[in-house]
Amino acid sequence: QVQLQESGPGLVKPSQTLSLTCTVSGGSISSDNYYWNWIRQPAGKGLEWIGRIYISGSTKYNPSLKSRVTISVDTSRNQFSLKLSSVTAADTAVYYCALAGFWSGTLDYWGQGTLVTVSS
Amino acid sequence: DIQMTQSPSTLSASVGDRVTITCRASQSISTWLAWYQQKPGKAPKLLIYKASTLESGVPSRFSGSGSGTEFTLTISSLQPDDFATYYCQHYKSFSETFGQGTKVETK
Repeated sequence: QVQLQESGPGLVKPSQTLSLTCTVSGGSISSDNYYWNWIRQPAGKGLEWIGRIYISGSTKYNPSLKSRVTISVDTSRNQFSLKLSSVTAADTAVYYCALAGFWSGTLDYWGQGTLVTVSS
Repeated sequence: DIQMTQSPSTLSASVGDRVTITCRASQSISTWLAWYQQKPGKAPKLLIYKASTLESGVPSRFSGSGSGTEFTLTISSLQPDDFATYYCQHYKSFSETFGQGTKVETK
């Protein structure tokens, strides 16, 4: 069974770039059966899809975040990453990585989530 | 962008109750709708996809229906493990969009 684990700094200063990595185990990130996604959730609030990447390198981003988001894949490490630039306190949230089936489209497997706080 | 609106935001119910949550899309999304359950401090869990198909391992008391712009999630007999927050999601789209969530709490 595929497992995902987020990692990265828990504290980021305003105006800096948030960087997170999702390590995939039990499956290959090079598989053409999956999309690799990032989702976030501010405390006490709902889920917001950030974006996704396919092994071809093709990406789709939430239009509201598109200008600040980059998602990339590192096949050698079986990881994919999120970079969110020019962060503010509004970007404080639990960030999840998740796998979506290429054909199903649903978010079938999720990481446990990692809290990122934006504060000076 | 397609907006997803859930109602109610909070639902108070008792064990054994029949519970219904509604999700409305701002335009037709065919049946590209999923439902997720989230418990505090945990990642969401897929319950239903394609509007009405139960994910493997999900109890049969959960069911989904609808197409186009109006969808429902029904729990036929609420169990203690079902108190959680439920989200609908439009997927297979340019921008995958979640509803704002419905918290099912104890009456």
